[in-house]
Amino acid sequence: NAGVMQNPRHLVRRRGQEARLRCSPMKGHSHVYWYRQLPEEGLKFMVYLQKENIIDESGMPKERFSAEFPKEGPSILRIQQVVRGDSAAYFCASSPGEGHTEAFFGQGTRLTVV
Amino acid sequence: AQSVSQHNHHVILSEAASLELGCNYSYGGTVNLFWYVQYPGQHLQLLLKYFSGDPLVKGIKGFEAEFIKSKFSFNLRKPSVQWSDTAEYFCAVQYSGAGSYQLTFGKGTKLSVIP
Repeated sequence: NAGVMQNPRHLVRRRGQEARLRCSPMKGHSHVYWYRQLPEEGLKFMVYLQKENIIDESGMPKERFSAEFPKEGPSILRIQQVVRGDSAAYFCASSPGEGHTEAFFGQGTRLTVV
Repeated sequence: AQSVSQHNHHVILSEAASLELGCNYSYGGTVNLFWYVQYPGQHLQLLLKYFSGDPLVKGIKGFEAEFIKSKFSFNLRKPSVQWSDTAEYFCAVQYSGAGSYQLTFGKGTKLSVIP
């Protein structure tokens, strides 16, 4: 389904720049999850947000990474001062309630740091 | 730590061959189990899921999976694959308890179907 929209699909940043990844959840969904997929790895949980609240950020690197889900607008995953190791596919999922029983994923944003 | 293992990194099959992709998870009590598929350039799409009841689950596109609790396994099967099944397949587990909204994913299995 095309319900969860992520943009951009591809993002190239030089080392030291900032990356902003956007996720618009499906209509009626107020729960958002971000996952990261490093090369040759499975998706790894990063953060779980509800509108205006970070519920669990236990999977987020301690520095340079932040996420928000404002009352209006998309959820944003922000990576400051990107490094080569940040190159990955970042996926967003949304659900109407807690958990993945009715969650849908977006197409992902592929970040390349050069 | 909770983990999910997918046995095969890359599987190559001819059309009409039967498919079985292995998935094992580490013990963690009650689990919900999922298989996702990602076609080239597309989003992750849910193939099927198991929460409770009949351990043989039927999903979309002719796929099915069997939950064997004693083996901590949730293998994906399809009796006859098609070229259009070429994709990457991910097994995922939702564990009960703290952080139960998260999914723990396997590393994925790339399936290539040769016409």
